[in-house]
Amino acid sequence: GIQVEQSPPDLILQEGANSTLRCNFSDSVNNLQWFHQNPWGQLINLFYIPSGTKQNGRLSATTVATERYSLLYISSSQTTDSGVYFCAVEPKGSGTYKYIFGTGTRLKVLA
Amino acid sequence: KAGVTQTPRYLIKTRGQQVTLSCSPISGHRSVSWYQQTPGQGLQFLFEYFSETQRNKGNFPGRFSGRQFSNSRSEMNVSTLELGDSALYLCASRTSQETQYFGPGTRLLVL
Repeated sequence: GIQVEQSPPDLILQEGANSTLRCNFSDSVNNLQWFHQNPWGQLINLFYIPSGTKQNGRLSATTVATERYSLLYISSSQTTDSGVYFCAVEPKGSGTYKYIFGTGTRLKVLA
Repeated sequence: KAGVTQTPRYLIKTRGQQVTLSCSPISGHRSVSWYQQTPGQGLQFLFEYFSETQRNKGNFPGRFSGRQFSNSRSEMNVSTLELGDSALYLCASRTSQETQYFGPGTRLLVL
């Protein structure tokens, strides 16, 4: 089955710093989403981005589907950005209807 | 619109018991998926329902089952609970092909 790898696994930043999180996937995908899991466990949808580039405030994401990777950029990080960031992909092909999650990047932003 | 809701939020059971978790999707969403999150295995797909039909199932034993009702609400059941079933169970809904939205989850502890 498809493999989803995220890097780095852990990241510690000073408030105000920028960061780039990476998601590599081993096969073609129909869909790709980035999520932020808060300390209470809720998965917050950040981007639906099977291809192209999107921006939402301090966050932006780029997916290059032909090269099978996606990047999440966080600029001017804040302590509230702390948590775990997941990339999830839906493998291409009929009858999948499921997302495969990466192992996540745990981000800690220090004040 | 109200988000995805899950009940109960927390649950403590003992080995051998069974449990039923409930998920109410966002109004108008007909697809409901369930995921299990544990520290050791990460986020894993359990099953997906659309219009009361299970379209895909993850690699879990038959003790895990689910169903969807005509109003798109979904339940999942775990019979003969084992210690390893302790996890955060997350439900997600979407319209058809695109963005999944997750509920707050149910934390199950099996003693």
